[in-house]
Amino acid sequence: GAVVSQHPSRVICKSGTSVKIECRSLDFQATTMFWYRQFPKQSLMLMATSNEGSKATYEQGVEKDKFLINHASLTLSTLTVTSAHPEDSSFYICSASGSSGEAQHFGDGTRLSIL
Amino acid sequence: EDQVTQSPEALRLQEGESSSLNCSYTVSGLRGLFWYRQDPGKGPEFLFTLYSAGEEKEKERLKATLTKKESFLHITAPKPEDSATYLCAVLPGGGADGLTFGKGTHLIIQP
Repeated sequence: GAVVSQHPSRVICKSGTSVKIECRSLDFQATTMFWYRQFPKQSLMLMATSNEGSKATYEQGVEKDKFLINHASLTLSTLTVTSAHPEDSSFYICSASGSSGEAQHFGDGTRLSIL
Repeated sequence: EDQVTQSPEALRLQEGESSSLNCSYTVSGLRGLFWYRQDPGKGPEFLFTLYSAGEEKEKERLKATLTKKESFLHITAPKPEDSATYLCAVLPGGGADGLTFGKGTHLIIQP
């Protein structure tokens, strides 16, 4: 149980392109979904928290106009990296939780490479 | 500011050689401490949640313990398939539910 699917697993695109990443909870309803970013040999860093039907809460230093988050249903959240540049290249991972304080279950991440 | 420090950064063991990984934390009001396993190119896989000092959880060759300042992940008689990066994360008090992660311990079990 508690499976989270993230798609696509890898994206390579040109600078200036917008990229959308999907995160789905397959066998449970996720009241809250989270988006993290991980650089090589670094810890996962929380970017934003989203609750179904509400605006996302962004961490300090994360540009909300750059990283658009939509959480339209209890099983789907999307992250759109707008006008991506090489410095946005990273490993983006989503997670989902059934209720506050419960363990988060993670997708397998999206490797984003901007040329 | 909430902080999580994991040690060692990397650990190489022989198959069957037991050891412990450390996770030290400073957090304002701990609501939970989580251990995850991460394989290369994959997302973290949930292992354990610990909520209060003195709590212990076990799963196969892994056992997690918690004190007021740190947590240990004990690995007993490890096998090569236990090789992975082990991540520790804390859920601080307050309303936000985002986790603060450590950098992880990269564990290699040699046959």
